[in-house]
Amino acid sequence: DAGVTQSPTHLIKTRGQQVTLRCSPKSGHDTVSWYQQALGQGPQFIFQYYEEEERQRGNFPDRFSGHQFPNYSSELNVNALLLGDSALYLCASTPGIGEAFFGQGTRLTVV
Amino acid sequence: GIQVEQSPPDLILQEGANSTLRCNFSDSVNNLQWFHQNPWGQLINLFYIPSGTKQNGRLSATTVATERYSLLYISSSQTTDSGVYFCAGLFSGTYKYIFGTGTRLKVLA
Repeated sequence: DAGVTQSPTHLIKTRGQQVTLRCSPKSGHDTVSWYQQALGQGPQFIFQYYEEEERQRGNFPDRFSGHQFPNYSSELNVNALLLGDSALYLCASTPGIGEAFFGQGTRLTVV
Repeated sequence: GIQVEQSPPDLILQEGANSTLRCNFSDSVNNLQWFHQNPWGQLINLFYIPSGTKQNGRLSATTVATERYSLLYISSSQTTDSGVYFCAGLFSGTYKYIFGTGTRLKVLA
């Protein structure tokens, strides 16, 4: 059983560019959440997708947007990248409200 | 807002020692998880423990939901236990896990 997979694993972007990160949830999981983890801190919730809709959003600007596809996979898009967006982006999948499993993360560097 | 606090923030142990990590939370928790973050950033699930006690090898965890805390016990620590340990809670009225600030553990050979 494949776990949660994220792509790419590493990414370098220039300030002002746009980026798309991808996540495939664990088999049987229908809910995907995205988290941002800055260096030395705990992960911070960005948003959660369920039934292709954004169900809850954290305290992040509209530059952060997402999508969930019918197969439950998800994308995180960040527009107009800032240096402060450099972080580890983690995707979590859950079977509804239950135990969360995380992918290996995408490390984004904005230069 | 809801607070999740972990202690101690840093811990250095000799191999073979035991340790207890604590997670306090400020509201009623529906779910609670413990994770170990490896040096590459992956969050490894240790326990899913909204209440009660569970054991998995050298690790065990206890959550006392009524008193709003959880404990992670590591016995006979090994160098491979080094890393950052996070607790995360799922609270009433929300779908998001709120993470603590983590405990950074270093086990010396």
